[in-house]
Amino acid sequence: SQTIHQWPATLVQPVGSPLSLECTVEGTSNPNLYWYRQAAGRGLQLLFYSVGIGQISSEVPQNLSASRPQDRQFILSSKKLLLSDSGFYLCAWSLTGIHYEQYFGPGTRLTVT
Amino acid sequence: AQKITQTQPGMFVQEKEAVTLDCTYDTSDPSYGLFWYKQPSSGEMIFLIYQGSYDQQNATEGRYSLNFQKARKSANLVISASQLGDSAMYFCAMRVQTSGSRLTFGEGTQLTVNP
Repeated sequence: SQTIHQWPATLVQPVGSPLSLECTVEGTSNPNLYWYRQAAGRGLQLLFYSVGIGQISSEVPQNLSASRPQDRQFILSSKKLLLSDSGFYLCAWSLTGIHYEQYFGPGTRLTVT
Repeated sequence: AQKITQTQPGMFVQEKEAVTLDCTYDTSDPSYGLFWYKQPSSGEMIFLIYQGSYDQQNATEGRYSLNFQKARKSANLVISASQLGDSAMYFCAMRVQTSGSRLTFGEGTQLTVNP
């Protein structure tokens, strides 16, 4: 069966510090991978998605970046965090096709102070 | 562009009663999929049910059913026999053929089940 891991679960970082969040998927090959951000009490905002190694599509211009160094590894990064980067970050994977659901990781709660 | 609208920020239901959570969508693409997710206070997103635009029958998964009215562009989630554990945030989402892998989410409905 497929499993998706995300770490860390919670993170408190000062403004201006770097960020690296990691997501890995097990039990499937060549998945589509996604990074979402969720503000408190709001819906999910798609940040990045990837259909293959080295292929990253950005949905929202910001100071975040994403990379996919391996087939089942997706990394969200920032060189300098802003207060507005605080939120709940969710990684997800899916197969290709409109009828396939996305499976989500447990999420990382990031607080920028 | 695709859009999902959930007009009920909060809903309340008595335990063991049925509840309907509204979702309307907007797309010009004839091929699309509609999804409902549940997000408990722990934050995890749990997939509940899927409906394809060409599906003739409404989807059902246990106590969950999707009331799909294509002409009205609505995809309401019906939860029968509500349980206390159903208290959570519920999100409607859509995926269209022309946007590839992207899933568009609504703002969600907070459901509270009262004992």
